Amino acid sequence: DARVTQTPRHKVTEMGQEVTMRCQPILGHNTVFWYRQTMMQGLELLAYFRNRAPLDDSGMPKDRFSAEMPDATLATLKIQPSEPRDSAVYFCASGLVLVRNTGELFFGEGSRLTVL
Amino acid sequence: TQLLEQSPQFLSIQEGENLTVYCNSSSVFSSLQWYRQEPGEGPVLLVTVVTGGEVKKLKRLTFQFGDARKDSSLHITAAQPGDTGLYLCAGNLDTGRRALTFGSGTRLQVQP
Repeated sequence: DARVTQTPRHKVTEMGQEVTMRCQPILGHNTVFWYRQTMMQGLELLAYFRNRAPLDDSGMPKDRFSAEMPDATLATLKIQPSEPRDSAVYFCASGLVLVRNTGELFFGEGSRLTVL
Repeated sequence: TQLLEQSPQFLSIQEGENLTVYCNSSSVFSSLQWYRQEPGEGPVLLVTVVTGGEVKKLKRLTFQFGDARKDSSLHITAAQPGDTGLYLCAGNLDTGRRALTFGSGTRLQVQP
């Protein structure tokens, strides 16, 4: 049963520490998305990749966030240094993006980050 | 300001009642999707609507895409406790950008 896998599921860290979240997308999907979910802002798009190439990272604070896709089976989202306002649930999603529309997105279970 | 506004934000109803959730925007979308999210999990796709005026039914759920492709609604008939969750609409802007923009969400609680 193909699914998106995210690690860690939960992370508690102190302000200033580096945080790395990992995602294994579904094999065969050509696009990987990183979203952040908070009660106040809902689901916000941070970045996405098409065929491993970064297409849009305008939703990320550039000075502290970075997203990479070193190979087809791994996407990473790094925060350095982390701040309390980064506390949220971070979701990775993958999909087979069509010419006109995104198609179905398959989400991981999320990484809940708490920065103290 | 959210690109996609959902209403109501919260809804608590009794089992057996009907309800409608709305998703509105001033922008045109090439397609619109509805997802349901349960606590501790990621959103799961319910339906995709593509054509203005389109109506799709999924058992007790009826989805409609507005004629101008700027709004959508989700109607649930005879709600059940298993329908409890966060309902999210998400759209592809008609600009060619292939990334979903999500609505603010409607949190539904169905009491037995």
